[in-house]
Amino acid sequence: LAKTTQPISMDSYEGQEVNITCSHNNIATNDYITWYQQFPSQGPRFIIQGYKTKVTNEVASLFIPADRKSSTLSLPRVSLSDTAVYYCLVGDEKYGGATNKLIFGTGTLLAVQP
Amino acid sequence: EAQVTQNPRYLITVTGKKLTVTCSQNMNHEYMSWYRQDPGLGLRQIYYSMNVEVTDKGDVPEGYKVSRKEKRNFPLILESPSPNQTSLYFCASSLSPGWNSPLHFGNGTRLTVT
Repeated sequence: LAKTTQPISMDSYEGQEVNITCSHNNIATNDYITWYQQFPSQGPRFIIQGYKTKVTNEVASLFIPADRKSSTLSLPRVSLSDTAVYYCLVGDEKYGGATNKLIFGTGTLLAVQP
Repeated sequence: EAQVTQNPRYLITVTGKKLTVTCSQNMNHEYMSWYRQDPGLGLRQIYYSMNVEVTDKGDVPEGYKVSRKEKRNFPLILESPSPNQTSLYFCASSLSPGWNSPLHFGNGTRLTVT
């Protein structure tokens, strides 16, 4: 069963770059890695998705090494409003490939201080 | 506005009294899924549906039922709720399976079973 592992929490200060790493040792060959952000009492919100190497959008970058057993979400110059829980998501590799069953990790609580 | 709508937002019930939580999306998405969120356990998938009349179990399906009679609706049914089903529930949809397509989440339903 695919499983993701993330740090439970991280602290940062405004203006710093934050890197959150997710371990997914059993990721399927054709599986993507997706990251979501969740504020209290709200549903998760899509941040970024990638398959390999590096992906960048207007809010974050995603780094995926060649073996794809981990991924790192990079948030440049965080602000107080980036305080949230961040989840990485992969598909379940049980059947030898990415399936329609999804496995979220327990998430990383990022606390940004002034 | 593209959205996933869940109802109700809050629900308090007693053990054994059947209930339904509704979920509707207006984006013509193929894939829909339900999750429960509990402290320290992150998001866990309950059921998912690839299309009308096609549903399958997620990680924690016991005690739940779903149906997909129309593409836009995916209700979650608790035939005989128990206190261990007290949780925060989220519905989500995506264009294709969530491992390669961003999920859009509803705002959640907080269920308390006494």
